[in-house]
Amino acid sequence: EAGVAQSPRYKIIEKRQSVAFWCNPISGHATLYWYQQILGQGPKLLIQFQNNGVVDDSQLPKDRFSAERLKGVDSTLKIQPAKLEDSAVYLCASSLDGPTLGRDTQYFGPGTRLTVL
Amino acid sequence: GEDVEQSLFLSVREGDSSVINCTYTDSSSTYLYWYKQEPGAGLQLLTYIFSNMDMKQDQRLTVLLNKKDKHLSLRIADTQTGDSAIYFCAEKQGNTPLVFGKGTRLSVIA
Repeated sequence: EAGVAQSPRYKIIEKRQSVAFWCNPISGHATLYWYQQILGQGPKLLIQFQNNGVVDDSQLPKDRFSAERLKGVDSTLKIQPAKLEDSAVYLCASSLDGPTLGRDTQYFGPGTRLTVL
Repeated sequence: GEDVEQSLFLSVREGDSSVINCTYTDSSSTYLYWYKQEPGAGLQLLTYIFSNMDMKQDQRLTVLLNKKDKHLSLRIADTQTGDSAIYFCAEKQGNTPLVFGKGTRLSVIA
């Protein structure tokens, strides 16, 4: 079974530029998550999708971050404009379903390491 | 609010057992997870335990849960150099997001 795919693996941009990340979840997984992991910290949830609908985006800085999952499969996360403090690893995860017992175990992709100069 | 605490570093000799500890504050946590993160990689799910269990064993891994003290531990038997990584404890309650600790960096000395 193929895992969660993410691209690019690394990105370096200057502040105020825009950047986009792509995620392809495990086939058949309805729920997709984007996390931000700052160096030395655990991952923090940015947004959760159930199919193509947003379940939780309470911690997404909506003035500069946006995400979509138009067809309920792939997803993109965009930052526009980037700030220095956005330097982090952006992790995508997917789970079979929502919180139904045993079906919401999350599987993570390798992440995209963003450096904002 | 929810909070998950872990010690930041642990160093063990190859062949010894490692015990990584975690405390959490949300007494209504339903699931508790251990993830492993190797350098430059995403998080790999190691094991999880439901809150109605006290212990779970999976090959070299043993998870112990003390609900009264809100304490979770991960024991790795016969620790190998390939076990060197950052280990994250995470807790979840119902529909709420996973809450991660800051991770414990395990160093295995040959």
